[in-house]
Formats: sequence, structure tokens, C-alpha cells
Amino acid sequence: QVQLQESGPGLVKPSQTLSLSCSVSGGSSSSSSFYWSWIRQRPGKGLEWIGYIHDSGNTYYNPSLKSRVTISVDTSKNQFSLKLTSVTAADTAVYYCARGPSWYCIGGSCYANSFDPWGQGTQVTVSS
Amino acid sequence: QSALTQPASVSGSPGQSITISCTGASSDVGTYNLVSWYQRHPDKAPKLMIYEVTKRPSGVSNRFSGSKSGNTASLTISGLQAEDEADYYCCSYAGSGTFLVFGGGTKLTVL
Repeated sequence: QVQLQESGPGLVKPSQTLSLSCSVSGGSSSSSSFYWSWIRQRPGKGLEWIGYIHDSGNTYYNPSLKSRVTISVDTSKNQFSLKLTSVTAADTAVYYCARGPSWYCIGGSCYANSFDPWGQGTQVTVSS
Repeated sequence: QSALTQPASVSGSPGQSITISCTGASSDVGTYNLVSWYQRHPDKAPKLMIYEVTKRPSGVSNRFSGSKSGNTASLTISGLQAEDEADYYCCSYAGSGTFLVFGGGTKLTVL
């Protein structure tokens, strides 16, 4: 079964760029293509979707973070990555990677559905 | 403040049933039957429990069920077991602009 694992620095200085990677293992079919997302949880807050990338490289970001976020994929390494620029203490969070969203399509339109599986999450603290 | 509102905590005794609510708006939960629920144990990866309001992924116990009425979705866990103690999060599609919103999470305690 597919497993995801986040990696990256646990401490980032304010104004710098947060960089995380997500390694994907256990995939059963190289002919399938998927969407891959980053999701975070800031202290005392709920989950927040950051953005997704498709295996083709197409991306879509949360409008509230769009100006600072870049998600990239390296299918040859079974890995996708997150870069968040100009971080502040407000970006301190547990960051999760997940496969998804899956899509519900009807009548020629498709709608974002769910995420499965997820990584365990990695704590990132923004502090000098 | 999260886009979807969940109770901070719920509790129940083994064998009982509990329900966790997830209240959104007409622009998300109220319009789309695309509510999903996730279970998260401490330091573990969140796990998909329910999708499309009522559907269970393969391998998820049928003790878990989902429903929706108006702008509120619900997750019901019947026959509570100690292993169900975890945090639960709801998520809904919210249209092409906002896209996806999550709830603030509910801590379930099995007494």
C-alpha cells in the first residue's frame, strides 16, 4: 500500500523559505496518475489545505497562500515538494503531505473529494 | 477560526454511540455531497474514514457512518471502542474559489 513520508528542516528563520519533501513508496501501478497535496495544522487551529500538484505538473494553491507557495513533483524520484517563502511565526505548523484530492465527476464537471493516504506529518517551527 | 465548525470534544463509554457534528455553510456542506472525515491518533498519519458524506473506504469498520442535513454533516461511531479515541476532522469541497475547507477538529475520549 502507498505510504507517504515528509522530510525537511524542523526550524526555519523568519523571512526565509520553508522547504519540505514528501517521499511516496509502495505504489502499485506506474500507469496511474494522481494528485498530491500539502496540508498543515497551525497550533490551536484546524487543518488547512495548502495546495496540490498533479503528476503532470499542474498545480492549484489555496488563494490565501498562493503568492508564497510553490509545489513541485519529481515522478522519477517518487517525490513531491513544498516551498513556502517569506515565512513568519504564523507559518509554524505540522505539515502533512497526502495523496489527493480524489475527484467526483458528474455532468462534465469535477469536484475535489478526499485525501488518502496521508503522511505522519512533520513539525516546522519558524523562529530566529 | 476554521471554516467548518466542530465541537472541541465529545466523549462516550465503550459500547455507546457518539455523533460528531460539522457545521458549514450553503457554499460548502450545504451544496456539495463531498464531506470527508479523518481520524488522527497522536503522532500518526490521519486516516480517511468517510468520503462523499456516507461512503466508507475499504477496511474501515462499519461502526463508522456519515450523514448530512442542510449545512451540517455528522460522523457517528457506534459500539465505541478504546481504539476509537482520537481526533476527528471533517472536510468539504467549497467551490472553485475557496476549494476545500476543514473543520477545527474534535477530540473523542472513550471513558
